[in-house]
Amino acid sequence: DAGVTQSPTHLIKTRGQQVTLRCSPKSGHDTVSWYQQALGQGPQFIFQYYEEEERQRGNFPDRFSGHQFPNYSSELNVNALLLGDSALYLCASSLAARVPGNEQFFGPGTRLTVL
Amino acid sequence: KQEVTQIPAALSVPEGENLVLNCSFTDSAIYNLQWFRQDPGKGLTSLLLIQSSQREQTSGRLNASLDKSSGRSTLYIAASQPGDSATYLCAVPSLSGGYNKLIFGAGTRLAVHP
Repeated sequence: DAGVTQSPTHLIKTRGQQVTLRCSPKSGHDTVSWYQQALGQGPQFIFQYYEEEERQRGNFPDRFSGHQFPNYSSELNVNALLLGDSALYLCASSLAARVPGNEQFFGPGTRLTVL
Repeated sequence: KQEVTQIPAALSVPEGENLVLNCSFTDSAIYNLQWFRQDPGKGLTSLLLIQSSQREQTSGRLNASLDKSSGRSTLYIAASQPGDSATYLCAVPSLSGGYNKLIFGAGTRLAVHP
């Protein structure tokens, strides 16, 4: 049973470009959350998708957008990249987003470097 | 607003020592608390999840305790080994509009030297 998978593993972009990161949830999970982790910090919540809709969002600008597909996989898009967007982007999946305290399982992350 | 703090930020110890990592949170109305391990540049590996009704959870040399009333959790690592070197993160779920998100501490960077 595959866990959460993310692609690509690493990505290098220049300022102003756009990037798309991908995530496949753990088998049987229907909810995907995205987190950004800057160097030396804990992960920060970006947004969460359930039933193909964004259900809640953290304190991130509109340059960050996402999508969830009918097979529950998800994409994170970042437009007009800034140097400060360089970080490890983590995807987490869970079952039944509305269950309080449901456990989230994390993927290996995508390391984004913006030059 | 839930905030999570971890102390110490970094720890360097010789092999064989018993360790205590601390995590505190400001809102005691939590459903559970989770401890993760993160190797450099890698994703998060879940170590232990303690439900709000539990006081302790154990896995091998790891023991996590939870005191909701005081807003604290500790992760105890017995007989530390160089392979335990990693960053340890704690996280609590925060419910907003009926949906969960995790609030993380900044982590404790542990180095165990032979």
